[in-house]
Amino acid sequence: QFVLTQSPSASASLGASVKLTCTLNSGRRGYAIAWHQQQPEKGPRYLLKVNSDGTYNKGDGVPDRFSGSSSGAERYLTISSLQSEDEADYYCQTWDGDVHVFGGGTKLTVL
Amino acid sequence: EVHLVESGGGLVRPGGSLRLSCVASGFNFKTYAMSWARQAPEKGLEWVSGISGSGESTYYAGSVKGRFTISRDNSKNTVFLQMNSLTDDDTAVYYCAKESSIFGVDPFDSWGQGTLVTVSS
Repeated sequence: QFVLTQSPSASASLGASVKLTCTLNSGRRGYAIAWHQQQPEKGPRYLLKVNSDGTYNKGDGVPDRFSGSSSGAERYLTISSLQSEDEADYYCQTWDGDVHVFGGGTKLTVL
Repeated sequence: EVHLVESGGGLVRPGGSLRLSCVASGFNFKTYAMSWARQAPEKGLEWVSGISGSGESTYYAGSVKGRFTISRDNSKNTVFLQMNSLTDDDTAVYYCAKESSIFGVDPFDSWGQGTLVTVSS
């Protein structure tokens, strides 16, 4: 069974960087994940896919401020030069043939 | 540019039924798997159901298996979600999502704006 674990909340200052974490459960550390952003009162938006080797592929139009990385069972989303519009919920997603799974989401506050 | 527009949400009594639609544009619809996901009030995202590009293969989360049916009409670039035996726990915003390729091998790369389903007596 897939489980993706995310911290419920994170915060960082305007202009700073923040690194969000999504942890795969044991036995799944070889899997890729994706990050999605959901701004208040909006539908989700695909940001990027992070592979187990740390490479990542961004979605169309996603700013270069967003990047991905990986270490073991952890997959990361780093947002640099934080802007006010980055204040949102961030969800990780993974998949395995006949199912998709989402993490619980991290609410990012930009101070 | 990919566009996904959901419709069909509304207020329904417990035990009732509802059919959601999602009209897609901006890509070769029949080539891509599609999914529905939902988000209950103040909760996170939950995948609900998916369908292959041809429509021959369908997939369901355990919470909706046997009650929901996903289908698609490739001639109309539309994917449907028939929801039966609805309960309060089905109250959510339902999102249509496009998969990056075939079902279950890549993430969703586009989302609709959602349609609200409220199950209440």
